[in-house]
Amino acid sequence: DAKTTQPNSMESNEEEPVHLPCNHSTISGTDYIHWYRQLPSQGPEYVIHGLTSNVNNRMASLAIAEDRKSSTLILHRATLRDAAVYYCILRTSYDKVIFGPGTSLSVIP
Amino acid sequence: GAVVSQHPSWVICKSGTSVKIECRSLDFQATTMFWYRQFPKQSLMLMATSNEGSKATYEQGVEKDKFLINHASLTLSTLTVTSAHPEDSSFYICSARSPSRGPTDTQYFGPGTRLTVL
Repeated sequence: DAKTTQPNSMESNEEEPVHLPCNHSTISGTDYIHWYRQLPSQGPEYVIHGLTSNVNNRMASLAIAEDRKSSTLILHRATLRDAAVYYCILRTSYDKVIFGPGTSLSVIP
Repeated sequence: GAVVSQHPSWVICKSGTSVKIECRSLDFQATTMFWYRQFPKQSLMLMATSNEGSKATYEQGVEKDKFLINHASLTLSTLTVTSAHPEDSSFYICSARSPSRGPTDTQYFGPGTRLTVL
């Protein structure tokens, strides 16, 4: 299985943008890049996914490097409710979601 | 987004008893559901994949006789922890795969069930 590497933790000030990086140098052509997040004591929540092009939705933006070996999840204005563990996951269609350690994001008021 | 519910949200039981956790997809039919377990300060670990109408597929190291999974309908999967012991205390999370609406599907997760075995 292709693997991802994320920083263990990051901090952000409230109302500032946050860029969460993810490295996936062994990504294959059929792997989609998915992001989930898990708020404390809750189940994971789907955030966004993409294949090659950058993607935007109401929650976040996903910037994918041209060689697809890395990607960045962008939260445009961090709020206290964005404090969570963010997981970057590679999967092909119909693959099960396998979680790595993720990045624990702290948001400072 | 799609909604997945779990019941109960938390349960406390005595050692040696069995506990059943339900997972329901509320607004879509899920032919495949997944069960995860999460210990404090750790990531989620996939336990098994549950397909409607067939036997579950367990991940390596997960005891199928201890963690019984039933997926009797397209909207309900159950996980029964048999003869629970304190080391089974954990946060159990289910997930349901939505029907594909494009090049890839999405897994939606339930809110989790906190199991404490005394």
